[in-house]
Amino acid sequence: NAGVTQTPKFQVLKTGQSMTLQCAQDMNHEYMSWYRQDPGMGLRLIHYSVGAGITDQGEVPNGYNVSRSTTEDFPLRLLSAAPSQTSVYFCASSYSTGVIFNEQFFGPGTRLTVL
Amino acid sequence: GQQVMQIPQYQHVQEGEDFTTYCNSSTTLSNIQWYKQRPGGHPVFLIQLVKSGEVKKQKRLTFQFGEAKKNSSLHITATQTTDVGTYFCAGPSGGGADGLTFGKGTHLIIQP
Repeated sequence: NAGVTQTPKFQVLKTGQSMTLQCAQDMNHEYMSWYRQDPGMGLRLIHYSVGAGITDQGEVPNGYNVSRSTTEDFPLRLLSAAPSQTSVYFCASSYSTGVIFNEQFFGPGTRLTVL
Repeated sequence: GQQVMQIPQYQHVQEGEDFTTYCNSSTTLSNIQWYKQRPGGHPVFLIQLVKSGEVKKQKRLTFQFGEAKKNSSLHITATQTTDVGTYFCAGPSGGGADGLTFGKGTHLIIQP
C-alpha cells in the first residue's frame, strides 16, 4: 500500500493564481481531511469528508474548495491564491468517523509559497 | 469551539534527561490522540487514549489521560536523539464539526 500520497511536494504560485493540491489514499478510508500547518500554529483543519459525495468545512475553510467524487481522492482547490495561504498542507485519512476517531494517516505534505 | 492548549512550546533537554509535554482542553474529550512530527516530516500517530485515568506505555513513552478527560500528558524517559521532533495532542473538534483539533505542539530539542 502506498498509504496517503500528495502531489505536488512543492509549489510556488503568484497571487491570484489558482491550483489544485492532489491527495489520494489506497486504504479504503471513508474519512479524509485537509490541514494547513503554519509556524507556531499547529495543524488547522480546512475541510473534511466523511465519505464520497460528502464534504464539510473545518476551522479555516475560506479560500479553499474541496470535492469527493471517489473514496480514494480528495483534492483541495485554491481559488485565487493569496500570500496568507503560504503554508504546508497535509492530507490525512482514517477508517473511522464520528466521535471516536482512529489513527489519522498523514500524507507527506505539499509546501506552498504564494508570492 | 474546542480549544486544545499544549505546553511548553519548546523544551531543551540534555540527552538522557526526561521530557514531559502537557495538553489541556477547554471541554471534556471523548478521546485524545498523540502524534510525533520529525523535522521536515509529517505527523505520525503514536497513541489514542479513551478511558478516564488511562495510562499507556510504549517503551520509554508514557501517556496519561486525566480523570476528568480534559487533560493529558506524554512523558519520555531518558531521551535519545531519535526523540527529536514536535509532539502534538489532538482531540475531537466537537460543536458539529467532524474533525480533530490539534494543540500547537511541543518542540523537543535534544543536546547531545
